[in-house]
Amino acid sequence: QLVLTQSPSASASLGASVKLTCTLSSGHSSYAIAWHQQQPEKGPRYLMKLNSDGSHSKGDGIPDRFSGSSSGAERYLTISSLQSEDEADYYCQTWGTGTVVFGGGTKLTVL
Amino acid sequence: QVQLVESGGGVVQPGGSLRLSCAASGFTFSSYGMHWVRQAPGKGLEWVAFIRYDGSNKYYADSVKGRFTISRDNSKNTLYLQMNSLRAEDTAVYYCAKDTPSYSIPGHWGQGTLVTVSS
Repeated sequence: QLVLTQSPSASASLGASVKLTCTLSSGHSSYAIAWHQQQPEKGPRYLMKLNSDGSHSKGDGIPDRFSGSSSGAERYLTISSLQSEDEADYYCQTWGTGTVVFGGGTKLTVL
Repeated sequence: QVQLVESGGGVVQPGGSLRLSCAASGFTFSSYGMHWVRQAPGKGLEWVAFIRYDGSNKYYADSVKGRFTISRDNSKNTLYLQMNSLRAEDTAVYYCAKDTPSYSIPGHWGQGTLVTVSS
C-alpha cells in the first residue's frame, strides 16, 4: 500500500535552515513526490516535484530558499534563511495508478 | 494567471446532496486534468477525485466511491463535484486543483469551499 509518512511537527529559528522529511512506504522507494505548503487560513500552494534521484522542479514563483533532495525512500524539503511567512503546514504527495496520496503533513513553527 | 474559484458549499443534512462548482480561468481548461481535494477541520489534505482533460477517465478515493461524481464542462471552463448520500465525515473544505502535465500533481489550487454535513 502506497503511504507517505511525515513527522507531525518541526521548528527552527528565524534565519536558520530546516529539513523536513517524507518517507515512502516499503516497495515504493523509486516514486517521485511533490511538496505543497499551506499557510494558516489559506489554500495549499504547490512547491515542487521531487524525483528519486534528488532532481526537482519548482512551481511558479517559488524562491530559491526552497530545495529538495532524496535518499532511498526518504524525500526531503529544505528551507533555508527561514522567514516568518514560512510558518505553515507542509504536505508531501505522490500518486499511483488511479490514486493520489498525501502525507499527514508537518506543522513548521518558526521561532 | 491561473484562477480557480470554488462555489456551492454550505450546510446539508446527513443523507443529502450538494453540487460543488469550480470556475477556471487563465489557462486552457480543456487541456488539463483536474482534482478535488478536501480538508476536514483541523486535519490534513485528502484527495477525493480526478478527471482527465477530456472527461474520459475518472478516479475516486475509496471513501467517496459510489457517492460522489466528478464531471466537467469544457465549454464553460467549469469543474463539478456532485456529492450524494453525504455523511458527517464529509464535512470539510473542498479544493479544486489543476493537474500538472504528465504527473498527478495538483499544481494550482483554489481557495476552497466549506461543506458542513450536520442535522
